[in-house]
Amino acid sequence: AQSVTQLGSHVSVSEGALVLLRCNYSSSVPPYLFWYVQYPNQGLQLLLKYTTGATLVKGINGFEAEFKKSETSFHLTKPSAHMSDAAEYFCAVRFYGNNRLAFGKGNQVVVIP
Amino acid sequence: DAGVIQSPRHEVTEMGQEVTLRCKPISGHDYLFWYRQTMMRGLELLIYFNNNVPIDDSGMPEDRFSAKMPNASFSTLKIQPSEPRDSAVYFCASSLGVSEQYFGPGTRLTVT
Repeated sequence: AQSVTQLGSHVSVSEGALVLLRCNYSSSVPPYLFWYVQYPNQGLQLLLKYTTGATLVKGINGFEAEFKKSETSFHLTKPSAHMSDAAEYFCAVRFYGNNRLAFGKGNQVVVIP
Repeated sequence: DAGVIQSPRHEVTEMGQEVTLRCKPISGHDYLFWYRQTMMRGLELLIYFNNNVPIDDSGMPEDRFSAKMPNASFSTLKIQPSEPRDSAVYFCASSLGVSEQYFGPGTRLTVT
């Protein structure tokens, strides 16, 4: 079955440290991949996406993600965490032949001063 | 662009009452999605439309839920009768083709 996995519901990171959020999917056909961010009491906002082409994609707020087909992964990183990065982050996948997005369970990121 | 617009932003109602949530998608988008978000179940897709036609309603919890899209710029999600377990944040999202989805701010529903 097609699935999206985000491990670790809560992630704590020190201000200035690397942010790394992992996303893996199960599919033999490369899908379209997305990361969304949700701030408290707001809707989901697109951070970045991968459809085709360059496997390292850059998004807003200094985030980037790399598509690795061999590892079926699309991990999100930011070199230096800022207090404003505290939010929930969702990995989403549009599997081939499917019009809907499959979402991971999300990572709640806490930034420690 | 104003983005996806949802109303009301907050709704408090008593069990048994009818609730109607409204959504205006981004102009020109041909897909519209309704989601529900709770702590227990996370983000769930309820139903989605393409060119105003419902394509997949398999996520609609039960017959108390119904959704319509009478035209390209408006959709409603109705719950009748409402129950406390329907309390959640309901999101509407739209997209152009099967690209990224743009989410509205959500409607926080509380059923007492």
